[in-house]
Amino acid sequence: EAGVAQSPRYKIIEKRQSVAFWCNPISGHATLYWYQQILGQGPKLLIQFQNNGVVDDSQLPKDRFSAERLKGVDSTLKIQPAKLEDSAVYLCASSYSRGVKTQYFGPGTRLLVL
Amino acid sequence: AQTVTQSQPEMSVQEAETVTLSCTYDTSESDYYLFWYKQPPSRQMILVIRQEAYKQQNATENRFSVNFQKAAKSFSLKISDSQLGDAAMYFCAYRSARGGSQGNLIFGKGTKLSVKP
Repeated sequence: EAGVAQSPRYKIIEKRQSVAFWCNPISGHATLYWYQQILGQGPKLLIQFQNNGVVDDSQLPKDRFSAERLKGVDSTLKIQPAKLEDSAVYLCASSYSRGVKTQYFGPGTRLLVL
Repeated sequence: AQTVTQSQPEMSVQEAETVTLSCTYDTSESDYYLFWYKQPPSRQMILVIRQEAYKQQNATENRFSVNFQKAAKSFSLKISDSQLGDAAMYFCAYRSARGGSQGNLIFGKGTKLSVKP
């Protein structure tokens, strides 16, 4: 079974530029999560999708971050414009929508904003 | 709100020895799940082990086992016969059994484990 795929793996941009990250969840997983992990901390949830609907985006900085999951499979997270403090690893995870809902993570995208 | 505390920022173990990582959590709920994730330098979070709160039996996965003390709200991870590949950050995580946004993972700050040859 293929795992969660993410791209790109690394991205370096200058502040005020825009960037987009892509995630493809495990086949059959209806729930998809985006996390931000700042160096030295645990992951923090940004947004949770159930199929193509948003379940929780309470911690998403909506003035600059946006995310979509149009067909209920792949998802894109965008930052526009980026700030220095957005430098972090962005992790995508997916799970079944029932039962224990164990989350399986992708390899992450490491973003550096200069 | 639920919180997860890992009081050991760093731990070290000799290869082939046993090490225990601590985790405590705070919740008023009775039905929840607990997880240990491993994050090596490659940054990918890998599930190590999970525990359902309604199960009294401690979970085990090969060399990894937990000591789940529900009344004390403690969930420690024991790694037996430590190997060099076990070196990583270890995160304890809590998830409510409730659905929707209340069922999201809450992570501790992590424990960095070093394994000495």
